[in-house]
Amino acid sequence: DAGVIQSPRHEVTEMGQEVTLRCKPISGHDYLFWYRQTMMRGLELLIYFNNNVPIDDSGMPEDRFSAKMPNASFSTLKIQPSEPRDSAVYFCASSRSSSGNTIYFGEGSWLTVV
Amino acid sequence: GESVGLHLPTLSVQEGDNSIINCAYSNSASDYFIWYKQESGKGPQFIIDIRSNMDKRQGQRVTVLLNKTVKHLSLQIAATQPGDSAVYFCAENNNAGNMLTFGGGTRLMVKP
Repeated sequence: DAGVIQSPRHEVTEMGQEVTLRCKPISGHDYLFWYRQTMMRGLELLIYFNNNVPIDDSGMPEDRFSAKMPNASFSTLKIQPSEPRDSAVYFCASSRSSSGNTIYFGEGSWLTVV
Repeated sequence: GESVGLHLPTLSVQEGDNSIINCAYSNSASDYFIWYKQESGKGPQFIIDIRSNMDKRQGQRVTVLLNKTVKHLSLQIAATQPGDSAVYFCAENNNAGNMLTFGGGTRLMVKP
């Protein structure tokens, strides 16, 4: 089975630009998570969805961040406008609620805002 | 000003030796625990999990031990290989939704 697929793998953008990160979860998984990883703060949960519905977005840092899940096989995380402090690795992950809560991660989107 | 980053504890072992990576968790209500391995440039990869009704679980070359009394989790890797070099994270789930809380990670370095 294909794992969690993220795009782009790497992005360098100028501050003020809009950034859109994309994720395709593992087929059949009904939970989808967006995490951010930095050296300063480690792995942080930003938001997660269950059956395409956002359940907890308390980790989203500010209004510049938004996430959507229009269907079971696609989610986006958008940053508008981007700032240098948003530079991080953004991971998407998914799980099946019946599988004991094991969460499987994608390879990450490495974002640099200059 | 000076930037302060996460200081990952580092465990350095000789190839072929056994490794033990420790993790303290905070929530006594947590009932499910996972160990992840993260290699440079990659996402966290599931290694092994354990439920709170167990105190030991074995996989291929890996064993997880759970001590609920002191809220401690450990990962044992037998016959450590260079390919085991990575950052290892423990994660706990307190059954409040399908969410995991991650520890800060331990860097394992395997010397040939």
